[in-house]
Amino acid sequence: DAKTTQPPSMDCAEGRAANLPCNHSTISGNEYVYWYRQIHSQGPQYIIHGLKNNETNEMASLIITEDRKSSTLILPHATLRDTAVYYCIVRVEYSGAGSYQLTFGKGTKLSVIP
Amino acid sequence: EAGVAQSPRYKIIEKRQSVAFWCNPISGHATLYWYQQILGQGPKLLIQFQNNGVVDDSQLPKDRFSAERLKGVDSTLKIQPAKLEDSAVYLCASSVSAKSSYEQYFGPGTRLTVT
Repeated sequence: DAKTTQPPSMDCAEGRAANLPCNHSTISGNEYVYWYRQIHSQGPQYIIHGLKNNETNEMASLIITEDRKSSTLILPHATLRDTAVYYCIVRVEYSGAGSYQLTFGKGTKLSVIP
Repeated sequence: EAGVAQSPRYKIIEKRQSVAFWCNPISGHATLYWYQQILGQGPKLLIQFQNNGVVDDSQLPKDRFSAERLKGVDSTLKIQPAKLEDSAVYLCASSVSAKSSYEQYFGPGTRLTVT
C-alpha cells in the first residue's frame, strides 16, 4: 500500500472548517483513500473513504485532487468533540485474496480551540 | 447496536508474567482484528481472523504472542512471557467481512503496562 504524509498537528477555531491535508504521491489506480480518527482513550473511528470522486457524508467531506496524489478531509463546522488524531490511509480495496489491512501512520493531531 | 467489547480496560503486570485480553466483536461480524498501539504511534495490525480461521498473522511475535477465536465469535490475545516493550494499548476491531466492508469498528482497547 502507498505511503501517506500528514502534518503532525493542526489547530482550528471552534465553528470554523477544519481542513486536514494528506499527501499520497505514490498512490496506485486501484487504491482508495480512507480517513479514520481517534479521540483520546478511544479506539479509531471510521470517517470516510473515496477513490477518485469527492465524497461527503454526515461527518465530513473528502476532496481528492484530479491526479489523486493528495487529498483533504474537511470538517465543515469543527466542535471541541472533533479534537482527535486523524489518520489518512491508502489501501487497495479488498480483492478476495489475502488480508484486509489498515496501515496507520502517526496521523495529524487536530486541536479545536474554543 | 452494541459495539466491540474488550476487557480488561487496564492491566499492570511485571515482566516475564503472562496476560490475556478478551474481545467480543459486534454480533454477526465475521472478521476480527487485533492491533497493538504504542504510545505516540498509530495502531499496528497483529492478527486478522475470518470466522475462526487466521487470515494474517505476519506481524504477530509468535514466540510470545498467541491468539484464538474459538467458534468464530469471541477472541483472546495472550502474551507469555511479557516484555517491557509490550507496554501498549491492545485494540480489537471487527467488520462485517473482509470482502464487503470498508469499515472496521474498534473497541476501547486494553492498556497494558509491563514493569
